[in-house]
Amino acid sequence: QVRLVESGGGVVQPGTSLRLSCAASGFTFSSHAMHWVRQAPGKGLDWVAVMSYDGSNKYYGDSVKGRFSISRDNSEDTLYLQMNGLKDEDTAVYYCARDTDIAAGGKGGRLDYWGQGTLVTVSS
Amino acid sequence: DIQLTQSPSSLSASVGDRVTITCRASQYISSYLNWYQQKPGKAPNLLIYAASILQSGVPSRFTGSGSGTDFTLTISSLQPEDFATYYCQQTYSTPRTFGQGTKVEIK
Repeated sequence: QVRLVESGGGVVQPGTSLRLSCAASGFTFSSHAMHWVRQAPGKGLDWVAVMSYDGSNKYYGDSVKGRFSISRDNSEDTLYLQMNGLKDEDTAVYYCARDTDIAAGGKGGRLDYWGQGTLVTVSS
Repeated sequence: DIQLTQSPSSLSASVGDRVTITCRASQYISSYLNWYQQKPGKAPNLLIYAASILQSGVPSRFTGSGSGTDFTLTISSLQPEDFATYYCQQTYSTPRTFGQGTKVEIK
């Protein structure tokens, strides 16, 4: 069965860095674009980033552009999110999600499997 | 960026009620609109994709409609397990924006 397991969350101070991981299993990881979506406490869903199946294309939400970097290792079936210059407003549960599509910026696709999320708390 | 506005932001309904949630896009998105359900403490779950196609395993009481800029999610007869928050998301362009959510509560 498809499984996505996020890790790497924790409590960090503003301005610092953190790297999240998402370990995938139960499907051909290299055949799917992958996303990060976050949710601040008590708030709605906020799309963070997407990477194409082969890592050749990636796109970011406005609030994280220039600070966060998405990457993947298809040999390890793992998705990453490098978060630099963290701010209080980055505090959220971070989910990774599988896209049915292989491309990152094309039209269509849907997020059919999600991980359980990992909590990042940015606080001094 | 494409903005998605859901209405209402919350609603109270009873079991058996017909519930309608709307999602309006700030520009044309054809049928590139998905709906998700999220229960407290859980990850979102895909309900409808491409505006009107029911995801496998989702009960048929959920229907989606619309195209262009105006979309609707309808629950024909609300069940106890349907009390949750619902989000629309556009897949027409990046960033892949979500609506702000509609919380469906028990009356």
